[in-house]
Amino acid sequence: QSALTQPASVSGSPGQSITISCTGTSRDVGGYNYVSWYQQHPGKAPKLMIYEVSNRPSGVPDRFSGSKSGNTASLIISGLQAEDEADYYCSSYTSSTTVLFGGGTKLTVL
Amino acid sequence: EVQLVESGGGMIQPGGSLRLSCAASGFTFDDYAMHWVRQAPGKGLEWVSLISGDGGNTYYADSVQGRFTVSRDNSKNSLYLQMNSLRPEDAALYYCAKDYEATDAFDVWGQGTMVTVSS
Repeated sequence: QSALTQPASVSGSPGQSITISCTGTSRDVGGYNYVSWYQQHPGKAPKLMIYEVSNRPSGVPDRFSGSKSGNTASLIISGLQAEDEADYYCSSYTSSTTVLFGGGTKLTVL
Repeated sequence: EVQLVESGGGMIQPGGSLRLSCAASGFTFDDYAMHWVRQAPGKGLEWVSLISGDGGNTYYADSVQGRFTVSRDNSKNSLYLQMNSLRPEDAALYYCAKDYEATDAFDVWGQGTMVTVSS
């Protein structure tokens, strides 16, 4: 299975909003509401930011939100802050009873 | 405190075997499915394997199917990954991760254990 498709990089200025897309197929992103998003700072383990497309775990700021349309899920970060600079990964449950990650997106806060 | 601690990584020659362990604490271990996820140096995340809370169901990525075996000992709050026929492309930081409320999301991660495959 090929990885879900994410842009390699996105950037934004403090206070702005950015969107990271995650494109799959009807056998993964489009077929299930089990899309998650992770934030990873250099040298650190990933951190769960969004689960089940749009739900935030306790402690994650409401600046982070998620959505899905068809085979594409999106992570939206509003009110960008310097500490948001990190790598972001999407993942999805698949029809093969496996989990597929996206290739990752490097977010730069200008 | 909810915690996962991996161990067992190291350098191994191609074709060799290695067994990774993950010690869990701070939660009712057998209530949760557990996953292994790996990350090659400078690369993205790759899901490796899943085991159900009772250990009765296991699933694998195509890239490791038939070579890796996931297991757990709920009496010891421990997760394992037996890796056989290792290849250079298996070299990575291996994380164990706790499943979040049966959503196939991972809410708790260990610090990872590094596996290097080289002759």
